[in-house]
Amino acid sequence: QQPVQSPQAVILREGEDAVINCSSSKALYSVHWYRQKHGEAPVFLMILLKGGEQKGHDKISASFNGKKQQSSLYLTASQLSYSGTYFCGTGGVRNSGGSNYKLTFGKGTLLTVNP
Amino acid sequence: DTEVTQTPKHLVMGMTNKKSLKCEQHMGHRAMYWYKQKAKKPPELMFVYSYEKLSINESVPSRFSPECPNSSLLNLHLHALQPEDSALYLCASSQDGQGYNEQFFGPGTRLTVL
Repeated sequence: QQPVQSPQAVILREGEDAVINCSSSKALYSVHWYRQKHGEAPVFLMILLKGGEQKGHDKISASFNGKKQQSSLYLTASQLSYSGTYFCGTGGVRNSGGSNYKLTFGKGTLLTVNP
Repeated sequence: DTEVTQTPKHLVMGMTNKKSLKCEQHMGHRAMYWYKQKAKKPPELMFVYSYEKLSINESVPSRFSPECPNSSLLNLHLHALQPEDSALYLCASSQDGQGYNEQFFGPGTRLTVL
């Protein structure tokens, strides 16, 4: 089931902060965040696991509320390079030892950072 | 090498043609993925290969046929496609098929079906 992202779009001036939210109606094992610039491949930003583990880039912060099936991505002191479409991808119960883990991506949040 | 490469970058084909998309990674990853992405839409999973075996097929029409010849290569064979199949086809890989590993995406093949 597709997660819901909000807002759909946000426009910032350089140096401003933004929060992008991702929520699901099903129990989640992990939330992945990716950024895709126009005409380019999605780039990994962050993974958050239900158990509290996280891995990703040092300059990116995010939270994951496993009980509410919600995650938020925090972009602080935005730079021009932050512009792009941000996707969250969610997956359900971990299939331990298996290989059937599937990510479903939200519709994306278009972030524009202006000088 | 942390790169996933895809060839060709662009492909135009008629509805009666047969063509193949190629994806390659040399990161030692054991899971590889095909996604389809329409303009201004998120990537949609098509297939997952784990340890060179097809583990997920998202009810993709048989005109798309994946193949994993070895752990570094992933192909997508195309036959008798429809105009609505025009899209960006993304390949990705991850260390394995588990949910705690990030996926590395290739630049994609932009496919146009006439």
